[in-house]
Amino acid sequence: QKEVEQNSGPLSVPEGAIASLNCTYSDRGSQSFFWYRQYSGKSPELIMFIYSNGDKEDGRFTAQLNKASQYVSLLIRDSQPSDSATYLCAVRKGAGSYQLTFGKGTKLSVIP
Amino acid sequence: EPEVTQTPSHQVTQMGQEVILRCVPISNHLYFYWYRQILGQKVEFLVSFYNNEISEKSEIFDDQFSVERPDGSNFTLKIRSTKLEDSAMYFCASRQNSGTGDKAFFGQGTRLTVV
Repeated sequence: QKEVEQNSGPLSVPEGAIASLNCTYSDRGSQSFFWYRQYSGKSPELIMFIYSNGDKEDGRFTAQLNKASQYVSLLIRDSQPSDSATYLCAVRKGAGSYQLTFGKGTKLSVIP
Repeated sequence: EPEVTQTPSHQVTQMGQEVILRCVPISNHLYFYWYRQILGQKVEFLVSFYNNEISEKSEIFDDQFSVERPDGSNFTLKIRSTKLEDSAMYFCASRQNSGTGDKAFFGQGTRLTVV
C-alpha cells in the first residue's frame, strides 16, 4: 500500500495559469504536511507546510489540507516557467516520529 | 541564509569499499537526518539523529550503515561495504527544535556511484 501518492504527471500549464498539484496519504494519524520543490539533479527545497485543515497562503502558493479525505493540495497562481520542477508531497507521521514520507512527485511544466 | 552543506558533491567508489558522506547541519539545529533518492525514485528516509543518538531508522538503514556526529558540527553517514544498489543521491537534512517547528532543510546532496 503506497503511503503517499501523487500523480506523476507531467502536468503542463501555460504561463500565468493556476497549477494544481494533488497528494493523498494513507496514515490517518499523520500530523504535518509539506510541499517541496525539486529541480532536476538538485535537493528538495521547502515551499509550504500545513498542519490544520483548510487553506494556507504564502505568496503565489496555497496549500490545502483535508484530513477527513486524507488529501493535500498545492495551488500555484500565476505560474512562471521557473516553477517548472518536480513537486514532492511529504507527510510526517504521528507524534514522536519526525521522519518524512515522500510521494514520488509530480513533474510540472510551465509553458511560456 | 544558513544552509546545510554536504561534501563531496560526487563520490565514485568500488563495490565493497567503505564511504563516508559528510554534512554540516545548520548551526542551531538539533535534529539531523539522512535521506536517499535512487535515480528516478522517491526520496526515502534512512535515519534521524538527536542528542548524539539515533532516534529513528528505516529498514534500509541496516548494519552496513552508521551515523556519527564526531565533533559537534559535522554529521556523517558511513556505508561499510558498498553495493551497486547503494548508488543514489544522499541528502542530509536538519531541523530546529523550536521556532521553525518540524520544517526540515536539505543539503544539496552527495551523488554516490558504486561501480
